[in-house]
Amino acid sequence: DTGVSQDPRHKITKRGQNVTFRCDPISEHNRLYWYRQTLGQGPEFLTYFQNEAQLEKSRLLSDRFSAERPKGSFSTLEIQRTEQGDSAMYLCASSLSREVQETQYFGPGTRLLVL
Amino acid sequence: AQSVTQLDSQVPVFEEAPVELRCNYSSSVSVYLFWYVQYPNQGLQLLLKYLSGSTLVKGINGFEAEFNKSQTSFHLRKPSVHISDTAEYFCAVSGNTGGFKTIFGAGTRLFVKA
Repeated sequence: DTGVSQDPRHKITKRGQNVTFRCDPISEHNRLYWYRQTLGQGPEFLTYFQNEAQLEKSRLLSDRFSAERPKGSFSTLEIQRTEQGDSAMYLCASSLSREVQETQYFGPGTRLLVL
Repeated sequence: AQSVTQLDSQVPVFEEAPVELRCNYSSSVSVYLFWYVQYPNQGLQLLLKYLSGSTLVKGINGFEAEFNKSQTSFHLRKPSVHISDTAEYFCAVSGNTGGFKTIFGAGTRLFVKA
């Protein structure tokens, strides 16, 4: 399977704990995006990388959230001191910037439940 | 700033009937427009996209959409739906000025009944 993969698919945690999610993009894709999707809503943009550089962060992304893409390949999204409001589906997407308005390919998501 | 409004949160329809899912957008710049489909417990899959040129765009699974600049709309249509089309459909917009951030609508749940 050469699509975007995310791990874990599901995560249940207690309020105040830290969690980390991983995204493996399609291998030749240089852009990687994180989105958050709550029930009944469309995905909301969180942040974006081109290679290893984080080029944009949404105002939705509080200081408790941090994302990295250290070698320009996989990416991690960490949430510190989780809150119940962080419960959502976290989606990762990747794209190739050489395309005209490149298509973003989405992973299956990580569903987070904060108790 | 860009925004997307999907005018229907749910659309029930009988199998083999035609369907239209409505989408309006607002933007101060020229845009690219997309429709994605999301099946239960899966990620989003691109159905079709409008970049430029012909305003009628054909996508996968028999779907098509028409870009109407004057009405700022990008409605999705299918002449005959199947049970397997039951899913959540998202309209999305991004700017064409080198922007990459994609803004999604809230989604329309298409429910196809036998």
